[in-house]
Amino acid sequence: DSGVTQTPKHLITATGQRVTLRCSPRSGDLSVYWYQQSLDQGLQFLIQYYNGEERAKGNILERFSAQQFPDLHSELNLSSLELGDSALYFCASSPQGGREDTQYFGPGTRLTVL
Amino acid sequence: LAKTTQPISMDSYEGQEVNITCSHNNIATNDYITWYQQFPSQGPRFIIQGYKTKVTNEVASLFIPADRKSSTLSLPRVSLSDTAVYYCLVRDNYGQNFVFGPGTRLSVLP
Repeated sequence: DSGVTQTPKHLITATGQRVTLRCSPRSGDLSVYWYQQSLDQGLQFLIQYYNGEERAKGNILERFSAQQFPDLHSELNLSSLELGDSALYFCASSPQGGREDTQYFGPGTRLTVL
Repeated sequence: LAKTTQPISMDSYEGQEVNITCSHNNIATNDYITWYQQFPSQGPRFIIQGYKTKVTNEVASLFIPADRKSSTLSLPRVSLSDTAVYYCLVRDNYGQNFVFGPGTRLSVLP
């Protein structure tokens, strides 16, 4: 158990809908990262937050957005969902978000878009 | 964008040493290289991290040459429970993008 929690574990929805994935980092960690894992694209970095502020941005679609709240939990919002958005979404956390930090991953949320 | 490559799959027998290499030609100058293990439908699990030369912990060793354009994860005396996918993670030198390798599926046979 990494100490990172993600809810829900599974999510099934329809195309065009909007969903919110939630992540609670390890106690004391200030930085949160979001990744998408699909069969054809592998593990793709989406976005990183540090203490509420966006720090780095990867291959995140404009239909997706994220934020980190004052209590340090983070939410990833996915809108206008398409079939291709079906994937595992992982959240990771690290103490400071610096170059020497280790990212610890949560168990993931499996999103299925029908 | 940085491109990382790894062998797609490897087979080994119990008790053998396994070495998995990741090539990362555009790694950020000051960033670390991290290796993860992943079982089906689970999150990646941290194995080891290093910046240069050699790092060893209780489960693995990591070898990084001076140019840092590759790294090799070494698993001593693998067991059946080491059957998993192994990924390297680096940050590319063009920005702040974290890049996972494509993963190496290790199968440990009895």
